Amino acid sequence: DAGVIQSPRHEVTEMGQEVTLRCKPISGHDYLFWYRQTMMRGLELLIYFNNNVPIDDSGMPEDRFSAKMPNASFSTLKIQPSEPRDSAVYFCASTPLGLAGQNGELFFGEGSRLTVL
Amino acid sequence: TQLLEQSPQFLSIQEGENLTVYCNSSSVFSSLQWYRQEPGEGPVLLVTVVTGGEVKKLKRLTFQFGDARKDSSLHITAAQPGDTGLYLCAYNQFYFGTGTSLTVIP
Repeated sequence: DAGVIQSPRHEVTEMGQEVTLRCKPISGHDYLFWYRQTMMRGLELLIYFNNNVPIDDSGMPEDRFSAKMPNASFSTLKIQPSEPRDSAVYFCASTPLGLAGQNGELFFGEGSRLTVL
Repeated sequence: TQLLEQSPQFLSIQEGENLTVYCNSSSVFSSLQWYRQEPGEGPVLLVTVVTGGEVKKLKRLTFQFGDARKDSSLHITAAQPGDTGLYLCAYNQFYFGTGTSLTVIP
């Protein structure tokens, strides 16, 4: 089975531009998570969804960040407008229903490396 | 303040050496997980420990959960270059440790 698929793998943009990151979770996984990883702050949870519904977005840093999950096989993380401090690697991860919150194993994508100039 | 503090932050050793990395907190956890992240990849789960004092072995890797369930350690015996990566401890899906970046030199 295919794992979690993220796109693009690399994105370089200029400050002020809109950035959209995409994620396809593993089929049958009901929980989807977005994380941001930087050297300074490590791996931070931004938002997670259960059955396409956002459950906790308290990790979203600012209103410039938004995430959607229109269906079970697709999610987006949008930054508008982007700023240099948003430069990071953004990971999407999924886990099956029943395992989440019970030491459920997270299956991560390969990440999207964002550079904002 | 990080919920999960890992040490050391960086570790560079020669192939064949043994090493231990630590994950510490002032909080008590029902369980902890260890992930390994290779460069350019997402983290991959190595193990979950759930019982205070529990020891789990995964080939040359030995994981221990503290008796008080506030800390955990990862011991690697006879490290190999393939062990190179970032080792992360985690609680549920919400909190990840600061990480230990391990480099094993051939």
